[in-house]
Amino acid sequence: EDKVVQSPLSLVVHEGDTVTLNCSYEVTNFRSLLWYKQEKKAPTFLFMLTSSGIEKKSGRLSSILDKKELFSILNITATQTGDSAVYLCAVLIYNFNKFYFGSGTKLNVKP
Amino acid sequence: NAGVMQNPRHLVRRRGQEARLRCSPVKGHSHVYWYRQLPEEGLKFMVYLQKENIIDESGMPKERFSAEFPKEGPSILRIQQVVRGDSAAYFCASSLMGDLEEFFGPGTRLTVL
Repeated sequence: EDKVVQSPLSLVVHEGDTVTLNCSYEVTNFRSLLWYKQEKKAPTFLFMLTSSGIEKKSGRLSSILDKKELFSILNITATQTGDSAVYLCAVLIYNFNKFYFGSGTKLNVKP
Repeated sequence: NAGVMQNPRHLVRRRGQEARLRCSPVKGHSHVYWYRQLPEEGLKFMVYLQKENIIDESGMPKERFSAEFPKEGPSILRIQQVVRGDSAAYFCASSLMGDLEEFFGPGTRLTVL
């Protein structure tokens, strides 16, 4: 059965800290891996990763994919309270373009 | 450009009633996905539809749940004879054929009393 596992499940840090969120996957017909940020509303798209070893960067957020070891990490540097959210990892497979989501990492950034 | 719209945003039903959740995709998008999010869990895939077709419903419970995406009008997720365990946030997402990014609606929060 296809699955996506995120760790840690929750994380509490202080402003200015750097955090690394992990996503490992075990799927057939892997196409891409996506990261979303979810606050008290619908998930918003952060990154899409398709190739191994190529870092995607947006401000203080960056992400990279390792297709050999089947995982991705999402880094957030100099965290701010506005980064507090649930970060979801999703894997897209070729079969009917279906997404599988992890259970998310709940990040709490304290002032 | 309106994004994905879902209504109602909040829905309260008593056990045994029916719940109808509506999703209007981004204009021009013909692919619709429904996800359910239980408290403290991630999004779980339920069903993938194109216009007038169910492509993949492997995530749908076998009983009481159904979905449609007619030629005209929104996609509907229908839950018959709701139970307390159906209480969750239901998200709809749409995509343009071939696109990988899904655009999510704001969700419908269903509460079953």
